Amino acid sequence: KQEVTQIPAALSVPEGENLVLNCSFTDSAIYNLQWFRQDPGKGLTSLLLIQSSQREQTSGRLNASLDKSSGRSTLYIAASQPGDSATYLCAVRRDSSASKIIFGSGTRLSIRP
Amino acid sequence: DGGITQSPKYLFRKEGQNVTLSCEQNLNHDAMYWYRQDPGQGLRLIYYSQIVNDFQKGDIAEGYSVSREKKESFPLTVTSAQKNPTAFYLCASSMDASGANVLTFGAGSRLTVL
Repeated sequence: KQEVTQIPAALSVPEGENLVLNCSFTDSAIYNLQWFRQDPGKGLTSLLLIQSSQREQTSGRLNASLDKSSGRSTLYIAASQPGDSATYLCAVRRDSSASKIIFGSGTRLSIRP
Repeated sequence: DGGITQSPKYLFRKEGQNVTLSCEQNLNHDAMYWYRQDPGQGLRLIYYSQIVNDFQKGDIAEGYSVSREKKESFPLTVTSAQKNPTAFYLCASSMDASGANVLTFGAGSRLTVL
């Protein structure tokens, strides 16, 4: 059974720092992995989608990497800003079936001005 | 602008009542999903639909029902059989159910049972 873990559950860093958020999964046979951002009381916003054949994806200050063999993905945020404060969730898709998406419980990120 | 609209944003229900949460999308997406989010937990799949007039149970379908009569609409009914319905409900869609496409989410509906 696929399990997705995000540690730590919460993280606070000063503005301007580069930081890494972690996502671990137990079954390396994945279809793709997606990173989301969630602001308090809001829906999820897709940040990056990495297919199983890819190693990384980049969008602006964000870079997501995927290492299937070690069961890890990282989300790198460069030059963090207070507006980056949110909860970041990863979701692993086991196969092309619509029902096989497993979400982590998220890392709540706070950027201190 | 294309997107997903969920309503109402907040809903209060007395025990024993059924309530229906609305989800409408104008993205022309084939696949739609309903998730439940509880504090400190990941999202859990309630129901999903890959095409009009078809839907499948997810991991926690008991006490919920859905319909997909139109491509753009996927309402969720929380019935009185759902024992712990207080939660944040999220609707999502994707271009198709193949898995290659990103999930797009609505803003969510928060249901509280009084």
